[in-house]
Amino acid sequence: GENVEQHPSTLSVQEGDSAVIKCTYSDSASNYFPWYKQELGKRPQLIIDIRSNVGEKKDQRIAVTLNKTAKHFSLHITETQPEDSAVYFCAASKKSDYKLSFGAGTTVTVRA
Amino acid sequence: EAGVAQSPRYKIIEKRQSVAFWCNPISGHATLYWYQQILGQGPKLLIQFQNNGVVDDSQLPKDRFSAERLKGVDSTLKIQPAKLEDSAVYLCASSQHAGPHNEQFFGPGTRLTVL
Repeated sequence: GENVEQHPSTLSVQEGDSAVIKCTYSDSASNYFPWYKQELGKRPQLIIDIRSNVGEKKDQRIAVTLNKTAKHFSLHITETQPEDSAVYFCAASKKSDYKLSFGAGTTVTVRA
Repeated sequence: EAGVAQSPRYKIIEKRQSVAFWCNPISGHATLYWYQQILGQGPKLLIQFQNNGVVDDSQLPKDRFSAERLKGVDSTLKIQPAKLEDSAVYLCASSQHAGPHNEQFFGPGTRLTVL
C-alpha cells in the first residue's frame, strides 16, 4: 500500500517567519494530496489540497508544491501567527481506491 | 451546516471488555469512514462505507472489530474484546461521494482508553 513519510515531526518558528513541512509518497499512482490541520483536542480540518496535474497552489498564507518526479510535496506557511500552532498532516490517495494514507504529522509551534 | 457527530467523546474500559462508538455523518453524505488515530500518529483508515455497503475493510482487525451502517446513514463501530493497544482516538469522517476530489469532513472523535 501507499506509504507517506512526513518531516519534521516537530517545528518551532518565530512569529512572522515561514514554516515548511515536507512529505514523500511511495506509490506513483497517487494523484491527490490534501493537508489537514488538527488543533489540540479538535478534529482534523482540510486546509489545502493539490492534484497531480498541478505543481503549485496558493491560498493566502498557505501554499503547497508538488514534485511528481521526486514523489514529494510540501506545505509552506508564510508570516506565521500563533493561531497556526497545531499538528499538520499530509495525505495521499490514488484514483483506483481513493483511500487516504496519512503521514505521522508535524507539530508546529509558533513562538510569539 | 451541521458537522459529523460522534459519541461518546471519551470512554475508559478494561481490557477484554466491549465498547461501541456511534457516528452520524453530514446529511446527504454517501461515504463514511472510520479511522484509528494512535497518539503521535496520523489517522489510519479502518473501514469505508459507500451508502450501506462496505467499500474497503482491509485494515480492520476483523477478529475483534466490527462496523455497520444500516440504512446508509448512522454507523457504529464495535470492539469486542478490547486490547490495550486499542487505546486511540477513533475518528469518523464523511464525504459527499467517494473519490479524491471530495473533501472528507471529520467528527470530533472518541478517545478510548483501555486499562
